[in-house]
Amino acid sequence: AQSVTQLGSHVSVSEGALVLLRCNYSSSVPPYLFWYVQYPNQGLQLLLKYTTGATLVKGINGFEAEFKKSETSFHLTKPSAHMSDAAEYFCAVSGPGGATNKLIFGTGTLLAVQP
Amino acid sequence: NAGVTQTPKFRVLKTGQSMTLLCAQDMNHEYMYWYRQDPGMGLRLIHYSVGEGTTAKGEVPDGYNVSRLKKQNFLLGLESAAPSQTSVYFCASSPGTQRALAKNIQYFGAGTRLSVL
Repeated sequence: AQSVTQLGSHVSVSEGALVLLRCNYSSSVPPYLFWYVQYPNQGLQLLLKYTTGATLVKGINGFEAEFKKSETSFHLTKPSAHMSDAAEYFCAVSGPGGATNKLIFGTGTLLAVQP
Repeated sequence: NAGVTQTPKFRVLKTGQSMTLLCAQDMNHEYMYWYRQDPGMGLRLIHYSVGEGTTAKGEVPDGYNVSRLKKQNFLLGLESAAPSQTSVYFCASSPGTQRALAKNIQYFGAGTRLSVL
Protein backbone atom coordinates (compact mmCIF):
# COMPACT_ATOMS: atom_id res chain seq x y z
CA ALA A 1 0.00 0.00 0.00
CA GLN A 2 1.10 3.53 -0.67
CA SER A 3 0.44 6.70 1.28
CA VAL A 4 1.58 10.29 1.48
CA THR A 5 1.86 12.59 4.47
CA GLN A 6 2.21 16.32 4.09
CA LEU A 7 3.34 18.02 7.27
CA GLY A 8 1.66 21.35 7.80
CA SER A 9 -1.68 22.11 6.22
CA HIS A 10 -0.84 25.83 6.21
CA VAL A 11 2.55 27.42 5.65
CA SER A 12 3.17 31.16 5.61
CA VAL A 13 6.36 32.79 4.37
CA SER A 14 7.47 36.30 3.57
CA GLU A 15 8.12 37.33 0.01
CA GLY A 16 11.75 36.52 -0.79
CA ALA A 17 12.05 33.87 1.92
CA LEU A 18 12.77 30.19 1.45
CA VAL A 19 9.80 27.95 0.76
CA LEU A 20 9.92 24.44 2.23
CA LEU A 21 6.93 22.15 1.94
CA ARG A 22 7.32 18.71 3.46
CA CYS A 23 6.22 15.39 2.03
CA ASN A 24 6.88 11.90 3.31
CA TYR A 25 5.71 8.79 1.55
CA SER A 26 5.20 5.14 2.22
CA SER A 27 5.54 2.64 -0.59
CA SER A 28 6.31 -1.05 -0.87
CA VAL A 29 7.61 -0.56 -4.41
CA PRO A 30 10.00 2.02 -5.86
CA PRO A 31 7.84 5.11 -5.96
CA TYR A 32 7.12 7.69 -8.56
CA LEU A 33 6.65 11.00 -6.77
CA PHE A 34 4.92 14.18 -7.88
CA TRP A 35 4.19 17.69 -6.73
CA TYR A 36 1.11 19.41 -8.10
CA VAL A 37 0.01 23.00 -7.54
CA GLN A 38 -3.54 24.27 -7.44
CA TYR A 39 -4.27 27.97 -7.82
CA PRO A 40 -7.60 29.26 -6.54
CA ASN A 41 -10.57 27.94 -8.48
CA GLN A 42 -8.38 26.01 -10.88
CA GLY A 43 -7.41 22.41 -11.51
CA LEU A 44 -4.13 20.83 -10.52
CA GLN A 45 -1.00 21.52 -12.52
CA LEU A 46 2.14 19.39 -12.44
CA LEU A 47 5.12 21.15 -10.82
CA LEU A 48 7.66 18.36 -11.02
CA LYS A 49 8.08 14.62 -10.84
CA TYR A 50 10.60 12.00 -9.83
CA THR A 51 10.60 8.63 -11.55
CA THR A 52 14.15 7.32 -11.77
CA GLY A 53 17.65 8.73 -12.08
CA ALA A 54 18.76 12.03 -10.56
CA THR A 55 17.27 12.49 -7.12
CA LEU A 56 17.16 16.28 -7.32
CA VAL A 57 14.47 17.30 -9.75
CA LYS A 58 13.70 20.75 -10.99
CA GLY A 59 10.27 21.92 -11.91
CA ILE A 60 8.48 24.95 -13.15
CA ASN A 61 8.50 28.36 -11.49
CA GLY A 62 11.83 27.80 -9.74
CA PHE A 63 10.68 24.90 -7.57
CA GLU A 64 12.75 21.80 -6.94
CA ALA A 65 12.48 18.65 -4.85
CA GLU A 66 14.87 16.01 -3.67
CA PHE A 67 14.04 12.33 -3.40
CA LYS A 68 15.63 10.89 -0.27
CA LYS A 69 15.02 7.17 -0.07
CA SER A 70 16.60 6.80 3.37
CA GLU A 71 14.22 9.40 4.78
CA THR A 72 11.25 8.44 2.55
CA SER A 73 10.90 12.13 1.79
CA PHE A 74 10.29 14.32 -1.22
CA HIS A 75 10.28 17.87 0.13
CA LEU A 76 9.53 20.81 -2.16
CA THR A 77 11.69 23.92 -2.00
CA LYS A 78 12.07 27.30 -3.64
CA PRO A 79 14.88 29.67 -2.64
CA SER A 80 12.85 32.87 -2.83
CA ALA A 81 9.08 33.05 -2.54
CA HIS A 82 7.04 35.24 -4.82
CA MET A 83 3.53 36.50 -4.24
CA SER A 84 2.38 34.45 -7.22
CA ASP A 85 3.43 31.24 -5.42
CA ALA A 86 0.44 31.50 -3.09
CA ALA A 87 -1.53 28.34 -3.82
CA GLU A 88 -2.23 24.86 -2.50
CA TYR A 89 0.41 22.23 -3.10
CA PHE A 90 -0.17 18.51 -3.25
CA CYS A 91 2.36 15.72 -3.04
CA ALA A 92 1.41 12.43 -4.70
CA VAL A 93 2.85 8.95 -5.12
CA SER A 94 2.31 6.14 -7.57
CA GLY A 95 4.05 2.88 -8.25
CA PRO A 96 6.02 2.24 -11.44
CA GLY A 97 4.63 -1.21 -11.82
CA GLY A 98 1.03 -0.19 -11.65
CA ALA A 99 -0.90 -0.58 -14.85
CA THR A 100 -3.37 2.11 -13.94
CA ASN A 101 -1.08 5.00 -12.98
CA LYS A 102 -3.22 5.70 -9.96
CA LEU A 103 -2.03 8.56 -7.81
CA ILE A 104 -2.31 8.71 -4.04
CA PHE A 105 -2.46 12.33 -2.92
CA GLY A 106 -1.52 13.97 0.33
CA THR A 107 -3.98 16.28 2.04
CA GLY A 108 -2.33 19.40 0.68
CA THR A 109 -0.42 22.39 2.04
CA LEU A 110 -1.79 25.86 1.56
CA LEU A 111 1.05 28.31 1.02
CA ALA A 112 0.53 31.96 1.91
CA VAL A 113 3.10 34.56 0.89
CA GLN A 114 3.18 37.76 2.92
CA PRO A 115 4.44 41.02 1.40
CA ASN B 1 -5.13 23.46 -26.62
CA ALA B 2 -8.26 22.45 -24.69
CA GLY B 3 -6.71 19.56 -22.74
CA VAL B 4 -9.27 18.29 -20.22
CA THR B 5 -12.65 20.00 -20.22
CA GLN B 6 -15.28 19.52 -17.54
CA THR B 7 -18.91 20.51 -17.78
CA PRO B 8 -20.70 22.00 -15.98
CA LYS B 9 -18.49 24.23 -13.86
CA PHE B 10 -21.09 24.71 -11.13
CA ARG B 11 -24.26 22.89 -10.15
CA VAL B 12 -26.72 22.94 -7.29
CA LEU B 13 -28.88 19.88 -6.72
CA LYS B 14 -31.57 18.94 -4.29
CA THR B 15 -31.25 15.72 -2.33
CA GLY B 16 -32.40 12.81 -4.44
CA GLN B 17 -31.88 14.46 -7.81
CA SER B 18 -29.63 12.92 -10.41
CA MET B 19 -27.04 14.43 -12.68
CA THR B 20 -24.13 13.59 -14.95
CA LEU B 21 -20.78 15.31 -15.05
CA LEU B 22 -18.98 15.23 -18.36
CA CYS B 23 -15.24 15.06 -18.88
CA ALA B 24 -13.71 15.36 -22.33
CA GLN B 25 -10.05 15.17 -23.29
CA ASP B 26 -8.51 15.88 -26.67
CA MET B 27 -5.06 14.38 -26.03
CA ASN B 28 -5.91 10.83 -27.08
CA HIS B 29 -5.12 9.61 -23.58
CA GLU B 30 -5.87 6.04 -22.59
CA TYR B 31 -6.53 6.54 -18.91
CA MET B 32 -9.09 8.78 -17.26
CA TYR B 33 -9.98 9.42 -13.63
CA TRP B 34 -12.59 11.07 -11.47
CA TYR B 35 -11.61 12.57 -8.11
CA ARG B 36 -13.43 14.47 -5.43
CA GLN B 37 -11.72 17.15 -3.39
CA ASP B 38 -12.87 17.99 0.12
CA PRO B 39 -11.25 20.38 2.60
CA GLY B 40 -8.44 18.75 4.55
CA MET B 41 -8.73 15.48 2.65
CA GLY B 42 -6.84 16.11 -0.55
CA LEU B 43 -8.06 14.35 -3.69
CA ARG B 44 -9.69 10.96 -3.46
CA LEU B 45 -10.18 8.70 -6.44
CA ILE B 46 -13.80 7.82 -7.21
CA HIS B 47 -13.56 5.74 -10.39
CA TYR B 48 -11.10 5.37 -13.20
CA SER B 49 -10.83 3.90 -16.67
CA VAL B 50 -7.89 2.36 -18.48
CA GLY B 51 -9.56 2.38 -21.86
CA GLU B 52 -12.74 2.73 -23.84
CA GLY B 53 -15.44 0.49 -22.45
CA THR B 54 -13.62 -0.25 -19.18
CA THR B 55 -14.11 1.24 -15.73
CA ALA B 56 -12.98 0.39 -12.22
CA LYS B 57 -13.66 1.50 -8.67
CA GLY B 58 -11.36 3.79 -6.81
CA GLU B 59 -11.15 4.70 -3.16
CA VAL B 60 -14.62 6.23 -2.72
CA PRO B 61 -16.97 4.79 -5.39
CA ASP B 62 -20.21 4.51 -3.42
CA GLY B 63 -23.06 6.61 -4.78
CA TYR B 64 -21.39 7.18 -8.14
CA ASN B 65 -21.41 5.45 -11.50
CA VAL B 66 -19.25 6.05 -14.56
CA SER B 67 -19.15 5.23 -18.23
CA ARG B 68 -16.49 5.43 -20.91
CA LEU B 69 -18.31 4.78 -24.16
CA LYS B 70 -15.87 6.88 -26.17
CA LYS B 71 -12.14 7.16 -25.57
CA GLN B 72 -12.26 10.91 -25.22
CA ASN B 73 -15.18 11.07 -22.76
CA PHE B 74 -15.60 9.93 -19.18
CA LEU B 75 -18.95 10.50 -17.51
CA LEU B 76 -19.62 10.57 -13.78
CA GLY B 77 -23.18 10.01 -12.65
CA LEU B 78 -24.95 10.61 -9.39
CA GLU B 79 -28.20 8.63 -9.37
CA SER B 80 -29.60 10.05 -6.14
CA ALA B 81 -27.59 12.96 -4.82
CA ALA B 82 -26.90 13.29 -1.10
CA PRO B 83 -25.54 16.25 0.88
CA SER B 84 -22.37 14.21 1.53
CA GLN B 85 -21.64 14.45 -2.17
CA THR B 86 -21.20 18.21 -1.96
CA SER B 87 -17.66 18.59 -3.21
CA VAL B 88 -15.42 19.75 -6.00
CA TYR B 89 -15.02 17.09 -8.66
CA PHE B 90 -11.97 16.84 -10.84
CA CYS B 91 -11.41 14.79 -13.93
CA ALA B 92 -7.92 13.84 -15.07
CA SER B 93 -6.39 11.94 -17.95
CA SER B 94 -3.09 10.20 -18.48
CA PRO B 95 -1.30 8.81 -21.53
CA GLY B 96 -1.31 5.36 -19.95
CA THR B 97 0.94 3.01 -21.82
CA GLN B 98 1.32 5.21 -24.87
CA ARG B 99 4.37 7.10 -23.74
CA ALA B 100 6.48 5.41 -21.10
CA LEU B 101 8.17 8.52 -19.78
CA ALA B 102 4.95 10.43 -19.39
CA LYS B 103 2.58 7.65 -18.54
CA ASN B 104 2.28 8.50 -14.87
CA ILE B 105 1.55 12.17 -15.40
CA GLN B 106 -2.07 13.15 -14.99
CA TYR B 107 -3.60 16.23 -16.57
CA PHE B 108 -6.49 17.84 -14.74
CA GLY B 109 -9.60 19.71 -15.70
CA ALA B 110 -10.69 22.90 -13.94
CA GLY B 111 -13.24 21.14 -11.75
CA THR B 112 -16.96 21.09 -11.12
CA ARG B 113 -18.32 22.58 -7.92
CA LEU B 114 -21.37 20.63 -6.81
CA SER B 115 -23.64 21.54 -3.94
CA VAL B 116 -26.35 19.17 -2.78
CA LEU B 117 -29.00 20.78 -0.58
